[in-house]
Amino acid sequence: DGGITQSPKYLFRKEGQNVTLSCEQNLNHDAMYWYRQDPGQGLRLIYYSQIVNDFQKGDIAEGYSVSREKKESFPLTVTSAQKNPTAYYLCASSIIGDSPLHFGNGTRLTVT
Amino acid sequence: GESVGLHLPTLSVQEGDNSIINCAYSNSASDYFIWYKQESGKGPQFIIDIRSNMDKRQGQRVTVLLNKTVKHLSLQIAATQPGDSAVYFCAESNDYKLSFGAGTTVTVRA
Repeated sequence: DGGITQSPKYLFRKEGQNVTLSCEQNLNHDAMYWYRQDPGQGLRLIYYSQIVNDFQKGDIAEGYSVSREKKESFPLTVTSAQKNPTAYYLCASSIIGDSPLHFGNGTRLTVT
Repeated sequence: GESVGLHLPTLSVQEGDNSIINCAYSNSASDYFIWYKQESGKGPQFIIDIRSNMDKRQGQRVTVLLNKTVKHLSLQIAATQPGDSAVYFCAESNDYKLSFGAGTTVTVRA
């Protein structure tokens, strides 16, 4: 059963702590993406990677970091430098080129 | 940067009627467009896509129309069902990066 797995579904952290969100795909897709979704807004691109060991900043990369050591995995770290980290985080993957993104079911992060 | 937007944040439709969801985009260089459906607590789900060399594409109960002259995209849903209640997003692709609009919340009335 191919797809994208994000874990956990809900995550709670104290302000000042770094937190890493997991994203795994078994679709054999080369490209992976992280988006942030806030209420009443569309999805905003944080980081993306088109190949292992390479990634690019999206529109709102400040306060986040990623790694792409394996094709299947693209973890996102929300650092303490992110001023407003509470949000719904969505991971996606696709084949290279103009093709639809396949999304996971997201991780809802709450920082207090 | 340029972004995709939707004309209306909400749409209420009678069950069985046709729905039309509109989207305006501003980047004339965008060459690929996608409609997604998002249900509560889930990630966006692909509905249908269209490339810039086309002006219409049909799927099962859905049709996407692209008007490049006025930079307008629409999604038509035929015979709307309760399961169609969701938030619908249009997205445009430029350099293989997708930009999303704010979404339209569709509510189907019984």
